[in-house]
Amino acid sequence: KNEVEQSPQNLTAQEGEFITINCSYSVGISALHWLQQHPGGGIVSLFMLSSGKKKHGRLIATINIQEKHSSLHITASHPRDSAVYICAAPFGNEKLTFGTGTRLTIIP
Amino acid sequence: NAGVTQTPKFQVLKTGQSMTLQCAQDMNHNSMYWYRQDPGMGLRLIYYSASEGTTDKGEVPNGYNVSRLNKREFSLRLESAAPSQTSVYFCASSEGGTIAGNTIYFGEGSWLTVV
Repeated sequence: KNEVEQSPQNLTAQEGEFITINCSYSVGISALHWLQQHPGGGIVSLFMLSSGKKKHGRLIATINIQEKHSSLHITASHPRDSAVYICAAPFGNEKLTFGTGTRLTIIP
Repeated sequence: NAGVTQTPKFQVLKTGQSMTLQCAQDMNHNSMYWYRQDPGMGLRLIYYSASEGTTDKGEVPNGYNVSRLNKREFSLRLESAAPSQTSVYFCASSEGGTIAGNTIYFGEGSWLTVV
């Protein structure tokens, strides 16, 4: 069965802390997506990566294809980073399987 | 450039009523998708369209129909709404070919309540 699991489900941290969100998947894939869902509901794509590491501002995503694992890191976290972070893996050409998300709350 | 636009944003239906969720994208994308999001579950694919003129079932197609009207528009229809269809619906698009290699863009979501 094609599965995507995220941990933790909920994460509360103080402003400035380094954040790590993990994603593991059950079968080999060629790339993985990281998404952010704002409190108002909108979803935006943060990263799509197939190997190594990608960085955008304070966000860093890494993936280890052999270990079927990816991590999303946030450096110097800020209250505006509070959101639900979702990873998604493509099992099939047009079908993404989504994790249930990690709800991140950054306290000032 | 509006991206992906879906309407309505909020809707309350009575059981048995029908309605259509509209979605349009202005990025000239080939692939379009309809997902539903329920508490405690990941987004689930209802239907998708890999190109104009084609549609295919996703993970949870029962109770829904879709139309790819043209390259820009992909609508989702509930013929006889049921309380189990209470959910948040997202339309999305990507350049297509393979979702593995393309960024996916989402609409703002449509909150549907069936009473």
